[in-house]
Amino acid sequence: NAGVTQTPKFQVLKTGQSMTLQCAQDMNHNSMYWYRQDPGMGLRLIYYSASEGTTDKGEVPNGYNVSRLNKREFSLRLESAAPSQTSVYFCASSEQGYQPQHFGDGTRLSIL
Amino acid sequence: DQQVKQNSPSLSVQEGRISILNCDYTNSMFDYFLWYKKYPAEGPTFLISISSIKDKNEDGRFTVFLNKSAKHLSLHIVPSQPGDSAVYFCAATGNSGGSNYKLTFGKGTLLTVNP
Repeated sequence: NAGVTQTPKFQVLKTGQSMTLQCAQDMNHNSMYWYRQDPGMGLRLIYYSASEGTTDKGEVPNGYNVSRLNKREFSLRLESAAPSQTSVYFCASSEQGYQPQHFGDGTRLSIL
Repeated sequence: DQQVKQNSPSLSVQEGRISILNCDYTNSMFDYFLWYKKYPAEGPTFLISISSIKDKNEDGRFTVFLNKSAKHLSLHIVPSQPGDSAVYFCAATGNSGGSNYKLTFGKGTLLTVNP
C-alpha cells in the first residue's frame, strides 16, 4: 500500500525559480492538505482541499498556490521561490469528519 | 497565538519506565485531539486520538488522558521502549462549520528512551 506519495523527495532551487510539488493518495480520501515543517515550529497548514473541486487557505498560504487535480492528486506550486520557503513540505489526506490524517514522507526543499 | 502548546521540547526516560508527554490548548472549540509520532526523514504517523466526550482512551501501551476543564491532555507510554524514541506531536481540531476539520499542531516533544 503506497498511501500518500510525494514527489520529489529533495529539491534545491534558486531564488525566483518556480516549482510544483506533487502529492497523490490511493486511499480514496476526500480531503487533502499541505503543511510545512520548520525547526521549532511544528507543522503549519498551507492550504487544504476539503473535497474534490474545493481549496482553502490555511495558516501560512502566502507565496503558494494549489491545485486539486482530481480526487487522488493535490499539488503545491511555488511561483517565485524565496529563501524563507526553505522547509520540509508534507502532504496529507483523510476522510471527512473526525478522521486521522495520513502523511507522506515529505519533500525537503532548499532555496538558495 | 499558539493554540496548541507542547511546553517540553524534549524528554528522556529509561527503557521500561513510563513516558508522559503533555499538551495544552487554548481554543474552546477544539473537541477532537490526536497524537502523532514522527521519526527522522519520515512523515508523521497517527498514534491515538480522543474525543472531548471521553476523558481517557487506551490502545496497548499508549493511553491519552483529557482534562477539559484544564484544557490539558497527556500521552502515557508504558512501558517505554527504545523504538518509541521519536518526536511526538499533539494536534487538535473542531468542526468550524461545513467540512473544515483542519488540524492545529503543537511544536512537538522529542522523546528519547535510553536502553
